[in-house]
Amino acid sequence: DVKVTQSSRYLVKRTGEKVFLECVQDMDHENMFWYRQDPGLGLRLIYFSYDVKMKEKGDIPEGYSVSREKKERFSLILESASTNQTSMYLCASSGSMQRGGTQYFGPGTRLLVL
Amino acid sequence: AQSVTQLDSQVPVFEEAPVELRCNYSSSVSVYLFWYVQYPNQGLQLLLKYLSGSTLVKGINGFEAEFNKSQTSFHLRKPSVHISDTAEYFCAVGGPGGFKTIFGAGTRLFVKA
Repeated sequence: DVKVTQSSRYLVKRTGEKVFLECVQDMDHENMFWYRQDPGLGLRLIYFSYDVKMKEKGDIPEGYSVSREKKERFSLILESASTNQTSMYLCASSGSMQRGGTQYFGPGTRLLVL
Repeated sequence: AQSVTQLDSQVPVFEEAPVELRCNYSSSVSVYLFWYVQYPNQGLQLLLKYLSGSTLVKGINGFEAEFNKSQTSFHLRKPSVHISDTAEYFCAVGGPGGFKTIFGAGTRLFVKA
């Protein structure tokens, strides 16, 4: 069965802290994505990666960075957390995008920045 | 540029009634269309997708959607809903060869007994 796991379901951090969100997929997918989900805004793409060590900015990359050292793992980093980064963070992976690849999502990490 | 509009933010409906969740998209190129569902405290999972071929697409849990190119719509329907269908539903559009999928704002479906 397809599986995407995220390191934490809930996280509370202080303003200015460095935050790491980890995502692991077991489907040997090339593509991985980080989204944030906010009420009324749907999902907004932060970053994606189509190969190891490759990354592309999404629609809202400011204040975030990512790392993909291994194919199965994609990390989202908040260099200095701010209260406006309080949100639900969703990781996803997909196979070939040439045919509109289905994305498989993790359960999400709800981050609260105080 | 591609965009997705879900026309209803919330849809309340009684159990066993039919439901339609509306989605319109805009794109200058041919598209792939998706509906995802998010149950409480879970990630999203695919309900159905349109890539090409028949415009009527059947998905899991009795849902179906119809691709209408002239009206740029991809509405989701179910003839008889259950309490367990209470969830948030997202329409999404992706382009051929592209990496980005654009998601709508979501529609919350409330099924009442």
